[in-house]
Amino acid sequence: AQTVTQSQPEMSVQEAETVTLSCTYDTSESDYYLFWYKQPPSRQMILVIRQEAYKQQNATENRFSVNFQKAAKSFSLKISDSQLGDAAMYFCAYVHSNYQLIWGAGTKLIIKP
Amino acid sequence: DADVTQTPRNRITKTGKRIMLECSQTKGHDRMYWYRQDPGLGLRLIYYSFDVKDINKGEISDGYSVSRQAQAKFSLSLESAIPNQTALYFCATSGLGGAPYNEQFFGPGTRLTVL
Repeated sequence: AQTVTQSQPEMSVQEAETVTLSCTYDTSESDYYLFWYKQPPSRQMILVIRQEAYKQQNATENRFSVNFQKAAKSFSLKISDSQLGDAAMYFCAYVHSNYQLIWGAGTKLIIKP
Repeated sequence: DADVTQTPRNRITKTGKRIMLECSQTKGHDRMYWYRQDPGLGLRLIYYSFDVKDINKGEISDGYSVSRQAQAKFSLSLESAIPNQTALYFCATSGLGGAPYNEQFFGPGTRLTVL
């Protein structure tokens, strides 16, 4: 069965600095997709970035980028120039052809002003 | 207006009561999902539906049932609520006939407390 592990329950970073959130997953599939979602205190789940496993190039979205290591089954999220509005729970998620998202337990990101 | 709405936003009920959570969407999506979120466990899939006639059990369907009344409406029912069903419940939708990498769009969540 597929699993997603986020080993950091909580991370903190100084405003304007860079932080990396870790995610590892386990699957026997070769074609799948990975996501990072953000959940601010408002509870709304918001897609931050996604990565297709067949693409070797790491996805980027403005200040957010990923380090996708397929062989190591690792999918970390880097947030550059952290802002107060980045404070949230961050969830890593995996899906393959059955459309069922498998979620990690989340990492709470604290931004220090 | 929000694309995915959930009612109620908060609900407190008693053990043994029947309760229904409702979800509506205006995105025109065919796929709809119900998730449960518990602290430290992330989200877990309860049921999902690819169209009105296609409903599937997810990881934790026991104790829950669903109804897809229309393409835009997907309801989750707890026939006899129990305290360990206290959680945050999310409805989500994803795009037309799309590949699995299509983004899922979430409603605002319903916080359910079972006393």
